[in-house]
Amino acid sequence: DQQVKQNSPSLSVQEGRISILNCDYTNSMFDYFLWYKKYPAEGPTFLISISSIKDKNEDGRFTVFLNKSAKHLSLHIVPSQPGDSAVYFCAASVTGNQFYFGTGTSLTVIP
Amino acid sequence: DAGVTQSPTHLIKTRGQQVTLRCSPKSGHDTVSWYQQALGQGPQFIFQYYEEEERQRGNFPDRFSGHQFPNYSSELNVNALLLGDSALYLCASSPGRFGAGQVFGPGTRLTVL
Repeated sequence: DQQVKQNSPSLSVQEGRISILNCDYTNSMFDYFLWYKKYPAEGPTFLISISSIKDKNEDGRFTVFLNKSAKHLSLHIVPSQPGDSAVYFCAASVTGNQFYFGTGTSLTVIP
Repeated sequence: DAGVTQSPTHLIKTRGQQVTLRCSPKSGHDTVSWYQQALGQGPQFIFQYYEEEERQRGNFPDRFSGHQFPNYSSELNVNALLLGDSALYLCASSPGRFGAGQVFGPGTRLTVL
């Protein structure tokens, strides 16, 4: 039962352009969402979060958008840099309890 | 600050054996969560320990058990290993009762032959 889905296994973007990673969820009780970045041989690293009371959160080049009615969130990276190449996971939870992760999207930023 | 540390890095076991994985949380963190990440999948929540008790558990059989020590470090034990238990096991620590602010360790790669 995959409650959090990332339907794009991979994404390639030119350096300097925008990267948009998407995530869908099915549980309407989810109220806290996070994005993690993962490099090979390392654990996931927290990137940015958003609670359900907001529809947008920005942190430097990273912006997360939440559309509760569509049960959809997206991560925008502008401008994309080669160092952003990694696997990105979205995760969702109810009040910060058990986190459900998507299957990840592998982002490649081409110099 | 060493962050979250896990040992061992890699482990090879055979079916039916038992394994123990270890995790030391980030300094100042008292909650430890364990995840299983199979190849090509996202991390799946196994359980969470807080105040030396299992507070939450995901959809994993009783073969998976754990422990948290007074210094907040934790162990994950898996009995009667199956081939399907082969995965990356991630430990994450966080401050306080809930999982917000989780910091992940590098993981232990378990291979069951």
